[in-house]
Amino acid sequence: RKEVEQDPGPFNVPEGATVAFNCTYSNSASQSFFWYRQDCRKEPKLLMSVYSSGNEDGRFTAQLNRASQYISLLIRDSKLSDSATYLCVVPNNAGNMLTFGGGTRLMVKP
Amino acid sequence: ETGVTQTPRHLVMGMTNKKSLKCEQHLGHNAMYWYKQSAKKPLELMFVYNFKEQTENNSVPSRFSPECPNSSHLFLHLHTLQPEDSALYLCASSQAAIAGATGELFFGEGSRLTVL
Repeated sequence: RKEVEQDPGPFNVPEGATVAFNCTYSNSASQSFFWYRQDCRKEPKLLMSVYSSGNEDGRFTAQLNRASQYISLLIRDSKLSDSATYLCVVPNNAGNMLTFGGGTRLMVKP
Repeated sequence: ETGVTQTPRHLVMGMTNKKSLKCEQHLGHNAMYWYKQSAKKPLELMFVYNFKEQTENNSVPSRFSPECPNSSHLFLHLHTLQPEDSALYLCASSQAAIAGATGELFFGEGSRLTVL
């Protein structure tokens, strides 16, 4: 299993839809996880962190499933501006390096 | 307005050229990083500097040479590159030793490199 694995997509959804992507990770000792967002031709930016059971921020919900070693990102009521690539990120054991997944591309259509 | 600035934004070079990428962070962070982002591939960590000391070299070829004169500046010196080195090179910074805990890296906009 790759360290961090994501479905590259693209996920094409209409405005207002709910969409979810998963990310699987190999390091069972990982304690914290992160979702970054990268707009086209821009730099990645931290979207949200996931510790223990999960995290919710407005329309965005991140969940952790330790048993199956995956995290998910749920976006409700999709907006056109949500179109971006979502990167799953997992720290190494020492906590001094972050491993990025290949990203999942989301395209929200009018 | 990003707190991490990279120059140049675009660079085209031949395989025999020597060039440098520059990164400056205005966030008071102590750790700086170079990442490589190629098409269809995940971000690859290249180098990590913590308090000006290189702490990680992720098996990067010697044609890439980093330099960190102080906690605010980071360079990537390029020499005799190959066409497959064409990519977006991203600089990032974080508070030292807590990048893992908070996961927050602050990226620059990147330097897009094309090697002919």
